[in-house]
Amino acid sequence: AQSVAQPEDQVNVAEGNPLTVKCTYSVSGNPYLFWYVQYPNRGLQFLLKYITGDNLVKGSYGFEAEFNKSQTSFHLKKPSALVSDSALYFCAVRDNPTGGFKTIFGAGTRLFVKA
Amino acid sequence: SQTIHQWPATLVQPVGSPLSLECTVEGTSNPNLYWYRQAAGRGLQLLFYSVGIGQISSEVPQNLSASRPQDRQFILSSKKLLLSDSGFYLCAWSVRGGGRAPGELFFGEGSRLTVL
Repeated sequence: AQSVAQPEDQVNVAEGNPLTVKCTYSVSGNPYLFWYVQYPNRGLQFLLKYITGDNLVKGSYGFEAEFNKSQTSFHLKKPSALVSDSALYFCAVRDNPTGGFKTIFGAGTRLFVKA
Repeated sequence: SQTIHQWPATLVQPVGSPLSLECTVEGTSNPNLYWYRQAAGRGLQLLFYSVGIGQISSEVPQNLSASRPQDRQFILSSKKLLLSDSGFYLCAWSVRGGGRAPGELFFGEGSRLTVL
């Protein structure tokens, strides 16, 4: 069975500094990986995904993520954090991208960006 | 464009009362539909998913049930709520099989349920 781990409950970063939110995964085959963001009392919003191809994926709001197959990681990064990036971030893995089946989420990492 | 509607946004119910949360999707056909529960503002637990009308898969044994009476309608129900049913319930949809955005989920705004 597939699983996702986000080892940090919380990440604190100063505005303007680079940020990294970590994610590792476990799947039996090739992974389909996603990052979502959630603002308070809202639904999740899709940020970016890795399906195949280039290991560096660029997404919304200046975020990017790097797929590392040997380390089974998919860390979310941004070169310069904004206060408005403060939110809850979820890494997710999907077990069958074409069959449309379930997506498994990590526990989430809360990002605080201080002005 | 596709939209997803979920209601009610908030609900306060006594223990033992019934529950019905509804979700509809517009602008697409044959979507995969999902119900997730988020407890304490953190991790998401997949409750049910559906790949077609009347086809429901349950992930966690509990006193909740789901139904899909129409292609773009997904309902979460309970006959008798428990205190432990409190949480933030999220409906989501995804494209079935390739298409414009294979794999990613599109979420509704959520329904916050408090059982007293």
